[in-house]
Amino acid sequence: KNQVEQSPQSLIILEGKNCTLQCNYTVSPFSNLRWYKQDTGRGPVSLTIMTFSENTKSNGRYTATLDADTKQSSLHITASQLSDSASYICVVSADRGSTLGRLYFGRGTQLTVWP
Amino acid sequence: DTAVSQTPKYLVTQMGNDKSIKCEQNLGHDTMYWYKQDSKKFLKIMFSYNNKELIINETVPNRFSPKSPDKAHLNLHINSLELGDSAVYFCASRRDALNTGELFFGEGSRLTVL
Repeated sequence: KNQVEQSPQSLIILEGKNCTLQCNYTVSPFSNLRWYKQDTGRGPVSLTIMTFSENTKSNGRYTATLDADTKQSSLHITASQLSDSASYICVVSADRGSTLGRLYFGRGTQLTVWP
Repeated sequence: DTAVSQTPKYLVTQMGNDKSIKCEQNLGHDTMYWYKQDSKKFLKIMFSYNNKELIINETVPNRFSPKSPDKAHLNLHINSLELGDSAVYFCASRRDALNTGELFFGEGSRLTVL
């Protein structure tokens, strides 16, 4: 069964600290994985996309990793800011056949950054 | 200029009423979606249209009826509203239904059924 699991469910950190969010998936065949950020009261916005051949990709203070062998991805946030408080959602795309283009959503990690 | 816009942003109504939520995208995308986000923030696919044709219809009660008059619009009509329909409904679009496209979401429509 194609699934996406995220951990932790919620996380509280102090401003300036680093944190890492995890995403494990069983989606097969795999096409790509995106991390979305959803601010309170807003729609999700894509932060980064990881394809099969990519191990690491950075977008400012956000660094995503992908291990396609173990089917795990992480999102590392460096020097957190208050504006990083949001829900982070992992979305995996399937590749072929009847699942072509099908998207599988994780339940998100709610990050709260305290001053 | 908003890429994906949905209206209304807030909707409060009584049980049993019928309501509609409208969505428009100006990105020239072929594929549009409706998602329901529950109180635990999980985004669940309801419907997907590609070039005005229904391609995904999850196990949604038939009180929910999507309509796509053209590929830039996807509206959601809900009949006989129930308490459990209270949620935030997100419209989204993607360049096409294939596997690499980024989803662009609207700001959400918060529906409260009393």
